[in-house]
Amino acid sequence: ETGVTQTPRHLVMGMTNKKSLKCEQHLGHNAMYWYKQSAKKPLELMFVYNFKEQTENNSVPSRFSPECPNSSHLFLHLHTLQPEDSALYLCASSQNRGQGLREQYFGPGTRLTVT
Amino acid sequence: GNSVTQMEGPVTLSEEAFLTINCTYTATGYPSLFWYVQYPGEGLQLLLKATKADDKGSNKGFEATYRKETTSFHLEKGSVQVSDSAVYFCALSDDHYSGGGADGLTFGKGTHLIIQP
Repeated sequence: ETGVTQTPRHLVMGMTNKKSLKCEQHLGHNAMYWYKQSAKKPLELMFVYNFKEQTENNSVPSRFSPECPNSSHLFLHLHTLQPEDSALYLCASSQNRGQGLREQYFGPGTRLTVT
Repeated sequence: GNSVTQMEGPVTLSEEAFLTINCTYTATGYPSLFWYVQYPGEGLQLLLKATKADDKGSNKGFEATYRKETTSFHLEKGSVQVSDSAVYFCALSDDHYSGGGADGLTFGKGTHLIIQP
């Protein structure tokens, strides 16, 4: 595997279910991100992990719970979601070198539908 | 705060036409600028980047020049192909230098480009 992988690619869940999204990066990066992509809206940054430590949480509801056990893996745990949470969830990684360019590399995304 | 504004489209062009997708930004610091492309059913791919004023990023025939005086980073291509049909996102990374911490990107809403044969 190369780059950034995400599983599952598609997920349908009811509002009372609990599920998890998984992201793995094979680039040796030290920072990972979750974004939400909804129709007609800009990509929304949800969480940032830098050296496995969460450094940003952009007012995301508590029904989304991230976990970063190591610098290569990132999870997004989901519970009691709402239909408006249906979206494409994108994972990204970057090599954080302090000052300077930090381009991010994205996975293919998980298409989530909440019924 | 930071923001990115780009034309939303859809932009429909004929094959071999000249392409321009406008992007302007506001930032508190001195940002790095990016163009990403998203093909149907896929994630975002980095297309090109620029880190300082007057830098020109280029890749696959696409170009964009970092214009600090007009806070713009317009994407251009001289002759588009059907395979260029996708959604294009302009984005910035503001250099907070907050202890070397990672920062998320600020994205525009995306421009849907349709190239007809």
